[in-house]
Amino acid sequence: NAGVMQNPRHLVRRRGQEARLRCSPMKGHSHVYWYRQLPEEGLKFMVYLQKENIIDESGMPKERFSAEFPKEGPSILRIQQVVRGDSAAYFCASSTTGAPNEKLFFGSGTQLSVL
Amino acid sequence: AQSVTQLDSQVPVFEEAPVELRCNYSSSVSVYLFWYVQYPNQGLQLLLKYLSGSTLVKGINGFEAEFNKSQTSFHLRKPSVHISDTAEYFCAVSERGGSEKLVFGKGTKLTVNP
Repeated sequence: NAGVMQNPRHLVRRRGQEARLRCSPMKGHSHVYWYRQLPEEGLKFMVYLQKENIIDESGMPKERFSAEFPKEGPSILRIQQVVRGDSAAYFCASSTTGAPNEKLFFGSGTQLSVL
Repeated sequence: AQSVTQLDSQVPVFEEAPVELRCNYSSSVSVYLFWYVQYPNQGLQLLLKYLSGSTLVKGINGFEAEFNKSQTSFHLRKPSVHISDTAEYFCAVSERGGSEKLVFGKGTKLTVNP
């Protein structure tokens, strides 16, 4: 799972700023998932993307959050006007087929801290 | 919709003792079942998964889990733990016929003491 690269590893933002989290999936993987882990909680699904398409964004907050996975380059999770409640670990995972029985490969996460 | 309950938030054990981490799930449709492990400051790694067939599933690092359909459980076991097994363990489900979207439990922190 070391093949899924997330950066930055730690991100500190002040309230009202923007946060951009990047995820480069494993080579050959075209399916990307974003999860959020709040303190003392399990991971919560946010969004599922394939190249240039958002497949399922049912876990994304309706405002301030957006995600993309362009044809070239990493997947980006963008949080506008961050608030303290956005402080969490954000994990990206990737796979080859998107099938429900497939193994997901996770990155090491980005720890977002909002001051 | 699915939900996953991990009954123990923390499990302390001594080295070489057996351990069982409990997981129950709820779903209106058939699911696949997974156990993931998260070592400090790392992402999740797959320990094992149940797709179909034998209800006893063996995974990496000597772990195994048993699917019990009537009790909707998927408990994780290891007969003898090591210090290096100290980590957080997450049970998860995905919907058969759906995407790879996983629904996770809140996790169980396993601490192995010398």
